[in-house]
Amino acid sequence: DTGVSQDPRHKITKRGQNVTFRCDPISEHNRLYWYRQTLGQGPEFLTYFQNEAQLEKSRLLSDRFSAERPKGSFSTLEIQRTEQGDSAMYLCASSVRTGEAFFGQGTRLTVV
Amino acid sequence: GENVEQHPSTLSVQEGDSAVIKCTYSDSASNYFPWYKQELGKRPQLIIDIRSNVGEKKDQRIAVTLNKTAKHFSLHITETQPEDSAVYFCAAQRGGGNKLTFGTGTQLKVEL
Repeated sequence: DTGVSQDPRHKITKRGQNVTFRCDPISEHNRLYWYRQTLGQGPEFLTYFQNEAQLEKSRLLSDRFSAERPKGSFSTLEIQRTEQGDSAMYLCASSVRTGEAFFGQGTRLTVV
Repeated sequence: GENVEQHPSTLSVQEGDSAVIKCTYSDSASNYFPWYKQELGKRPQLIIDIRSNVGEKKDQRIAVTLNKTAKHFSLHITETQPEDSAVYFCAAQRGGGNKLTFGTGTQLKVEL
């Protein structure tokens, strides 16, 4: 499969626990994006990378959220001390600089 | 920052009829406007896009129009089919490879 892949597909965690999600972009894509989507809403931008550099973070991204793309390939998104409001679908997308953004299947997070 | 508004939130049409979804954006510097289709439980997938140097683009039964002066763009689907039933999102992007700002989505239902 040469598309964007995300792992895990589903994650249930207890409030206060830390979680980490992984995204593997399309191999030749240098841009990688993280979005969050809640039911009935459009994807909401969180952060994005060009190669290993994190170029922008949303003001909505609290200090509990951190993202990395250490070698310019895969990326991880970590949420520390999860809260019920963090429950959402976390989508990763990748693109070349001026091209279409391709989305992964997402990681559905449920905080109980 | 950019703000994208999308209407209607739900749209029900008879098979074979046309469907029109409208979006407005706030940032006059936005220059790329994609439309994504998202079926239940699946990833958003690009169906058509338009850049600001073009007023209209068509791909078979799907067309998009852009009015830069009024800062609005629309998706037109002709001869709708049941498989067109999904949630459609418009988005706007400022500059190549930057974040997408999404509308809130339109649930399209094509009835037999």
